[in-house]
Amino acid sequence: AQKVTQAQTEISVVEKEDVTLDCVYETRDTTYYLFWYKQPPSGELVFLIRRNSFDEQNEISGRYSWNFQKSTSSFNFTITASQVVDSAVYFCVTPPQSGGSNYKLTFGKGTLLTVNP
Amino acid sequence: DTEVTQTPKHLVMGMTNKKSLKCEQHMGHRAMYWYKQKAKKPPELMFVYSYEKLSINESVPSRFSPECPNSSLLNLHLHALQPEDSALYLCASSQVGRGNYGYTFGSGTRLTVV
Repeated sequence: AQKVTQAQTEISVVEKEDVTLDCVYETRDTTYYLFWYKQPPSGELVFLIRRNSFDEQNEISGRYSWNFQKSTSSFNFTITASQVVDSAVYFCVTPPQSGGSNYKLTFGKGTLLTVNP
Repeated sequence: DTEVTQTPKHLVMGMTNKKSLKCEQHMGHRAMYWYKQKAKKPPELMFVYSYEKLSINESVPSRFSPECPNSSLLNLHLHALQPEDSALYLCASSQVGRGNYGYTFGSGTRLTVV
């Protein structure tokens, strides 16, 4: 069974602060994937990043960066110099095992990030 | 196109009404999904269609009736709903058997049952 834990329910920061959202996962699969999605107040789930278990390189995309560490089963997400537009719920997600007939995504409970001006 | 379009964006309906939610994608994805999301909760899977056939029904009450008329369209027919069915309904799509490449979600329909 797969499980994703986002221990931080809510985080509030002031604009320009850096913020890290934590994600810990559990899986018995040797090959697995992890996603981060952003859900702004408008409701749409916006895909941010996909990472597979073979690639432990950290990734940076503008102000966003991701730290994937298999040793601690973590896939943390950092926003540098946060902006008000970053205010949203962020979900850490893992898809079902490749090739399986189970299409069910496993979501963490989400972290509500509020960036105050 | 790399998006999933849902209509309407907002819907208010009475408990005796019949309404439908619509979802459309033109990415060539042959797996389509309905999710239900209550406030401050992650989305919960309701139905999965694979190649236009219903492959998963997560024990959803029969007052929700999905339909996939073709590879681009997904409907959710609503009848005799209860106030507790008020939620954000999200449609998503992906490649069949290749969910590792990601799921594309629509912006959802905010449903209020009065």
